[in-house]
Amino acid sequence: QQPVQSPQAVILREGEDAVINCSSSKALYSVHWYRQKHGEAPVFLMILLKGGEQKGHDKISASFNEKKQQSSLYLTASQLSYSGTYFCGTENGGSNYKLTFGKGTLLTVNP
Amino acid sequence: KAGVTQTPRYLIKTRGQQVTLSCSPISGHRSVSWYQQTPGQGLQFLFEYFSETQRNKGNFPGRFSGRQFSNSRSEMNVSTLELGDSALYLCASSWEKTYGYTFGSGTRLTVV
Repeated sequence: QQPVQSPQAVILREGEDAVINCSSSKALYSVHWYRQKHGEAPVFLMILLKGGEQKGHDKISASFNEKKQQSSLYLTASQLSYSGTYFCGTENGGSNYKLTFGKGTLLTVNP
Repeated sequence: KAGVTQTPRYLIKTRGQQVTLSCSPISGHRSVSWYQQTPGQGLQFLFEYFSETQRNKGNFPGRFSGRQFSNSRSEMNVSTLELGDSALYLCASSWEKTYGYTFGSGTRLTVV
């Protein structure tokens, strides 16, 4: 079952904040977040694991509500470089080795 | 360090033909996954390999197949191409999935 992302698109001015949500109808083991710029490969941002462990290597933050099977990505003080399509990828089992991606959220940051 | 390398970058094939795409993962990464990306369906999982074994497979017809070699390089094959197979095919490798996946730039396949 494909996770549902919202909003589908958002336009910001530099310095503004945004929240992107990802919801699943199935129990989640982990949630990955990726950003893809036009014509480029998706780039890993962060992973949130069942049990609360979070790993990432960017200043963007995220939360994971296991009970609600939801994750949110928080982009604060947005920069022009944040523009792109954000995808959440969900994994339903620890030994699944398969990510099911949402349809993406197009984020545009204007000067 | 070198990233994930996919070849070729672009392909144009005719309906009914078959095609083989190649992926070289980051050195040390033994897991390789394949995804199909289209504007309508987004990113869809094809299959994942680890140490030459397929660990999971997506909901694609049997025309889509793959394999992994002992050096972790992977290939995917699509036989009897259909117009609907036109897409960007992305390969992703991982050392350990909790550290995320690194995607290649993809192979853009156009079926005419």
